[in-house]
Amino acid sequence: DTAVSQTPKYLVTQMGNDKSIKCEQNLGHDTMYWYKQDSKKFLKIMFSYNNKELIINETVPNRFSPKSPDKAHLNLHINSLELGDSAVYFCASSHGTGGNTIYFGEGSWLTVV
Amino acid sequence: AQTVTQSQPEMSVQEAETVTLSCTYDTSESDYYLFWYKQPPSRQMILVIRQEAYKQQNATENRFSVNFQKAAKSFSLKISDSQLGDAAMYFCAYDGSGNTGKLIFGQGTTLQVKP
Repeated sequence: DTAVSQTPKYLVTQMGNDKSIKCEQNLGHDTMYWYKQDSKKFLKIMFSYNNKELIINETVPNRFSPKSPDKAHLNLHINSLELGDSAVYFCASSHGTGGNTIYFGEGSWLTVV
Repeated sequence: AQTVTQSQPEMSVQEAETVTLSCTYDTSESDYYLFWYKQPPSRQMILVIRQEAYKQQNATENRFSVNFQKAAKSFSLKISDSQLGDAAMYFCAYDGSGNTGKLIFGQGTTLQVKP
């Protein structure tokens, strides 16, 4: 039933490792996003895809690589994890852009030790 | 660049009373959208209310309403008849920039509801 689902919800890993977070939406939306919420609860967009095409790529280290195999999925792969990558990563989706409501997943809490 | 400011890090309200959360933003655009999202301890981001800048009428959703002052670039959220379940962090967000779906968030306001 979950509209935007992410896995895993919790992830603890060591510095230097590579990890992926998967996201799927069943809302029929054509636009998907990754947002990052830091330890101070500040939320900022990282990437967005529309119909599998990258349309927003904020200033994010190239260790972060999103991949959208189809409109319903947007995965986030992170190479060579650093302590500063510890955060909550939210996947989200919307029907187009243009101010349409963006629906968020439950978040994936990444802790790098 | 657009910015969103929530000047109240924390607010508290007595159950059944009314509280207003403040939000101001800075933009040179005339067409944009504003949102309030709620984040309870579960971390889920839940849409509370949405406002289209070209509409003068303030948006309402049950006990939640906004006071949108376009000239003043102000977008406050009023919660009436506060309930314990309203306790959460509330984020104001702006969507402009050619309507890319890029939300710019404020710093958030933590709302405590006292029984």
